[in-house]
Amino acid sequence: EPEVTQTPSHQVTQMGQEVILRCVPISNHLYFYWYRQILGQKVEFLVSFYNNEISEKSEIFDDQFSVERPDGSNFTLKIRSTKLEDSAMYFCASRRDGGTEAFFGQGTRLTVV
Amino acid sequence: AQSVTQLDSQVPVFEEAPVELRCNYSSSVSVYLFWYVQYPNQGLQLLLKYLSGSTLVESINGFEAEFNKSQTSFHLRKPSVHISDTAEYFCAVQETSGSRLTFGEGTQLTVNP
Repeated sequence: EPEVTQTPSHQVTQMGQEVILRCVPISNHLYFYWYRQILGQKVEFLVSFYNNEISEKSEIFDDQFSVERPDGSNFTLKIRSTKLEDSAMYFCASRRDGGTEAFFGQGTRLTVV
Repeated sequence: AQSVTQLDSQVPVFEEAPVELRCNYSSSVSVYLFWYVQYPNQGLQLLLKYLSGSTLVESINGFEAEFNKSQTSFHLRKPSVHISDTAEYFCAVQETSGSRLTFGEGTQLTVNP
């Protein structure tokens, strides 16, 4: 069964460093998402991406964040200069055109120290 | 904007007992409703969804949820739980015209022998 895969599963980084979280969405899906879950809090929407551009973003997704689809398979989330409060589980999701269900990856736990 | 409230953060039950996980939502527009489950160290998996039609929806592993428009609720129920149902359960809504999910806080279901 096709699935969304995320790498790495856990990343530790120093405050101020740049990190790139990677995702491989399901191959025939056209809509891509990033969500995050700070420990003990709700899963929050960050950004959606369609047709090689951001289609929607939340107030959390400020200039420190960027997304990219560098090739036909990967979808990345970059945090330019990490802060302690960026520590969270980051989930990638994808959805096929015309579908209603988003399929989630297993998440990347980002720890900023 | 939408919001989702899951009234119980923790629900401990004994094996083979019935369970109900409560979810209420608020939205000024039509929405789709979802329940996602997160098993330990895994990603979010869709459990069931309500799009339209019959207000009672079922999953393959015995869970069901009923959409109640007048009470703006989408409670999840199972008549007899198993140890393997231990997980965190998230209720989520999505505008029918949009694609981002808004999640509730999650309910940790713990099934004890």
